[in-house]
Amino acid sequence: AQSVSQHNHHVILSEAASLELGCNYSYGGTVNLFWYVQYPGQHLQLLLKYFSGDPLVKGIKGFEAEFIKSKFSFNLRKPSVQWSDTAEYFCAVTPNSGGYNKLIFGAGTRLAVHP
Amino acid sequence: KAGVTQTPRYLIKTRGQQVTLSCSPISGHRSVSWYQQTPGQGLQFLFEYFSETQRNKGNFPGRFSGRQFSNSRSEMNVSTLELGDSALYLCASTDMTGLGSGANVLTFGAGSRLTVL
Repeated sequence: AQSVSQHNHHVILSEAASLELGCNYSYGGTVNLFWYVQYPGQHLQLLLKYFSGDPLVKGIKGFEAEFIKSKFSFNLRKPSVQWSDTAEYFCAVTPNSGGYNKLIFGAGTRLAVHP
Repeated sequence: KAGVTQTPRYLIKTRGQQVTLSCSPISGHRSVSWYQQTPGQGLQFLFEYFSETQRNKGNFPGRFSGRQFSNSRSEMNVSTLELGDSALYLCASTDMTGLGSGANVLTFGAGSRLTVL
């Protein structure tokens, strides 16, 4: 069965620190990969996505992620976090074909950024 | 362009009751999927509908059901509520079929927060 593992459940950083959130998935075929973000009191929003091509993808608000196929990983990065990045971050995967729009989510990582 | 609209936003029920939640997708989106979000289990897929047909179902008991109407609006129903059904229920829509390789980016609604007492 497909699964997604996010290594850190809680991360606390100071503003301007660099961020890297780990995400590994288990699936034998080709996948689509996503990072979604849920800001406090807001709905789940797409941060970035990978379907094919350049394994380094850029998303909104200065976030980027790198797909490493050999490691089944899709880690999220940001060089310098801001207080407004405080949120919960979810990695998700769906098969590249026949996935019927079913996303498998990781458990999420709660990020708290202190001023 | 209006987003995904879910009603009601908050509701409280007691054990044994049933509940119906509604979701209006973005105009033109024919795929609607439902997810349950809880602190312990995270985000779990419930089911997905496309053109009024349920195409995929998650690992939930039969008490959880849904349907989609010809205008793509969807409802989900939970019968005989249990305390563990307390959760945020999220609806998401997309205009992609999800069959071929493609951009099946889901847009989520704000959710319906169900509390079972």
